[in-house]
Amino acid sequence: AQSVTQLGSHVSVSEGALVLLRCNYSSSVPPYLFWYVQYPNQGLQLLLKYTSAATLVKGINGFEAEFKKSETSFHLTKPSAHMSDAAEYFCAVRPPSNTGKLIFGQGTTLQVKP
Amino acid sequence: DTGVSQDPRHKITKRGQNVTFRCDPISEHNRLYWYRQTLGQGPEFLTYFQNEAQLEKSRLLSDRFSAERPKGSFSTLEIQRTEQGDSAMYLCASSSLLPQTGGKMNTEAFFGQGTRLTVV
Repeated sequence: AQSVTQLGSHVSVSEGALVLLRCNYSSSVPPYLFWYVQYPNQGLQLLLKYTSAATLVKGINGFEAEFKKSETSFHLTKPSAHMSDAAEYFCAVRPPSNTGKLIFGQGTTLQVKP
Repeated sequence: DTGVSQDPRHKITKRGQNVTFRCDPISEHNRLYWYRQTLGQGPEFLTYFQNEAQLEKSRLLSDRFSAERPKGSFSTLEIQRTEQGDSAMYLCASSSLLPQTGGKMNTEAFFGQGTRLTVV
């Protein structure tokens, strides 16, 4: 069964600092991988997705993620944090059954300090 | 089209009451998903529809839960005899299954803002 592990339930960075949110997946076949962001009392917004094309994926709001098969990782990064980046971030994997359902990690809350 | 819409945004109910939530997907999307998200956790898959057919249900979906999508457009999720453990955010998402060379492709899922249920 496929699963997602997000290392670190809370990450705190200073404004302008590098953001690194970690995600590892388990999958027996090449997966589709996603990062979503959720602001308080809101739904999920897609940041970026990996669909077996380029291993470095660029998303919205300056975020990017790199698919590393050897490490089974899909970490999310942003060079310079902004106060508006404070939110909860979810990594998700989509099993290859083509149902389209997503399996989410437990989430990482990003705090940005002024 | 303004995206996936869910109603109500918030619902407070007494234990034992029935509640019903509605989801209006993006109009051209033929797939619709329900997820449940409890505090501090990621969303968990409940069920999904392709057009009006309910094709998969999670073991999380007890017999008190029922979902419908009668005309392949909007969907409802009903919880009967609510329990305090049902308190959660219920998220709806939609996507499309499109033909492509060699098979079909599922487009990315777009989520609604959710319905937050509190059972007291």
